[in-house]
Amino acid sequence: DAKTTQPPSMDCAEGRAANLPCNHSTISGNEYVYWYRQIHSQGPQYIIHGLKNNETNEMASLIITEDRKSSTLILPHATLRDTAVYYCIAYYGGATNKLIFGTGTLLAVQP
Amino acid sequence: EAQVTQNPRYLITVTGKKLTVTCSQNMNHEYMSWYRQDPGLGLRQIYYSMNVEVTDKGDVPEGYKVSRKEKRNFPLILESPSPNQTSLYFCASSLDFPWGQTNYEQYFGPGTRLTVT
Repeated sequence: DAKTTQPPSMDCAEGRAANLPCNHSTISGNEYVYWYRQIHSQGPQYIIHGLKNNETNEMASLIITEDRKSSTLILPHATLRDTAVYYCIAYYGGATNKLIFGTGTLLAVQP
Repeated sequence: EAQVTQNPRYLITVTGKKLTVTCSQNMNHEYMSWYRQDPGLGLRQIYYSMNVEVTDKGDVPEGYKVSRKEKRNFPLILESPSPNQTSLYFCASSLDFPWGQTNYEQYFGPGTRLTVT
């Protein structure tokens, strides 16, 4: 069964790097992995996406394993405002043919 | 300002009373989608639309209808709401299909909190 799995929660000290993992074990080689975050109950906001190579933007870095079965979102210097739920999303092709959201990781940044 | 708007933001209704939640985007996006969010279950897709007059079921379409008569609007219709449809609903849009070999970021609306008693 196609599934995108994430740990339900993580803690991180302010100023330290937050590493959020995601498993997307059955995606094909041609579809992107996306990360969004949701603060309180607002609409999710896009963070970053990747296909095969590591990616970096002004918000975060994304590392995708060579076999593409997992990825890690890295917030290099977490701040209190990064406290949010982070969603990993992957598209599963073939018979599944749909986007599947992970259930999200609540990142709590501690002062 | 580029945005996705939803109305109403909050709604309390009774079982069986038909309701519509509107969604509108001003970015000329092709793709629009509805999600529901429930504790412990994350975001689940209800319906999506790849273009005008083209809609398809997502993960949890039962009890919902949608229409896409105009590019900018994608209303969600609950013909006979039931308490298990109490949830937080999000509409989203993107330039094109948010999957596949190109990335198209999805823009989410602010959410509609629906309670069915």
